[in-house]
Amino acid sequence: SAVISQKPSRDICQRGTSLTIQCQVDSQVTMMFWYRQQPGQSLTLIATANQGSEATYESGFVIDKFPISRPNLTFSTLTVSNMSPEDSSIYLCSVGQSGDEQYFGPGTRLTVT
Amino acid sequence: GENVEQHPSTLSVQEGDSAVIKCTYSDSASNYFPWYKQELGKRPQLIIDIRSNVGEKKDQRIAVTLNKTAKHFSLHITETQPEDSAVYFCAARTSGTYKYIFGTGTRLKVLA
Repeated sequence: SAVISQKPSRDICQRGTSLTIQCQVDSQVTMMFWYRQQPGQSLTLIATANQGSEATYESGFVIDKFPISRPNLTFSTLTVSNMSPEDSSIYLCSVGQSGDEQYFGPGTRLTVT
Repeated sequence: GENVEQHPSTLSVQEGDSAVIKCTYSDSASNYFPWYKQELGKRPQLIIDIRSNVGEKKDQRIAVTLNKTAKHFSLHITETQPEDSAVYFCAARTSGTYKYIFGTGTRLKVLA
């Protein structure tokens, strides 16, 4: 499977600021997704990152809060904007090819103070 | 939309015993069911999956069964070992989409 990296691995941010998380894959992949995992909780899909077009957001997530870019088939970014303590979570990217399997990056642990 | 329920939320077993985690899904169009293991501080890792045209799949000590009529699927771990201790998530994917809906997770503790 592809090697997936995320930057940063963790960060502590002040409320009201924004953080951009990067997801890099060592090979071209068809699908890239962004998930949020709140402390002790399950994984919730934020959006599907579409190469060369606007991301597809899930209910409860909006582009103004979580802008996403995907300039090519190996890279995507998620920005968490105007952060509040409620945004403290682990943010994970996942990737998939044309098959069914998805594989997760190592995650970014975000703490908002 | 799809909804996935997972039980139990926590499970403790003695080393060497079996563990079973169950999930139910709501969308009869779901056709792919992966299971992930997440150790503390680590990423979720795909450990086994099953497609809707198969009733059972086994990989060494782990197996997954699927009952499409009842819309439920289960993870079975035999001869449990302390390194099996983790949180396990089931998921379902609806035909025609690439989106997973995850269950709420089961924290498995294997007692030595």
